[in-house]
Amino acid sequence: DARVTQTPRHKVTEMGQEVTMRCQPILGHNTVFWYRQTMMQGLELLAYFRNRAPLDDSGMPKDRFSAEMPDATLATLKIQPSEPRDSAVYFCASGFQGIKGGYTFGSGTRLTVV
Amino acid sequence: AQSVTQLDSQVPVFEEAPVELRCNYSSSVSVYLFWYVQYPNQGLQLLLKYLSGSTLVESINGFEAEFNKSQTSFHLRKPSVHISDTAEYFCAVSAMAGNTGKLIFGQGTTLQVKP
Repeated sequence: DARVTQTPRHKVTEMGQEVTMRCQPILGHNTVFWYRQTMMQGLELLAYFRNRAPLDDSGMPKDRFSAEMPDATLATLKIQPSEPRDSAVYFCASGFQGIKGGYTFGSGTRLTVV
Repeated sequence: AQSVTQLDSQVPVFEEAPVELRCNYSSSVSVYLFWYVQYPNQGLQLLLKYLSGSTLVESINGFEAEFNKSQTSFHLRKPSVHISDTAEYFCAVSAMAGNTGKLIFGQGTTLQVKP
């Protein structure tokens, strides 16, 4: 089965450090999403891309978060500087040509900022 | 804008009993509707979806959901649950207009199946 691969699976870092999370979408998928999951807020959409172009990043704190797709096989989410409130599970999901087919989610990156 | 409300945060049920997980949505435009399941320490998996046509949709593992436009609901049901159905279930919507694919999730319902 095709998978969305996220690395690292777990990350513990100190407050103020830069964190980079990576996602390899399924080959051929042209839509990539980043979601954040916390107990308090549930699943929040941070940003998404279509054909590598950012469509919406309104859910992302602009001062410290950035999302990019350097090429079709890699999406990155960076936090600089990281804060304890950024502790969460970050999911990447990919799909093709809009929503009808549903999206395939990766296993997530569990981030802990101490 | 769209929003999703899952009315129960936790649903405990005994094995082989029926279950219903409730989902209501709010939207000023027509929407596509989805249920996703998340097993512990895993990502979300698509369980079933409503795009158009028959308002009753089914999954391969015995779940079904019915789209009710007048009540803006998309409740998930299973007539007889198994221990392996223990997981968190998320209802989600996406606006049809523009087909942006933006998926808005509810807060999730934890289904706890007891032996």
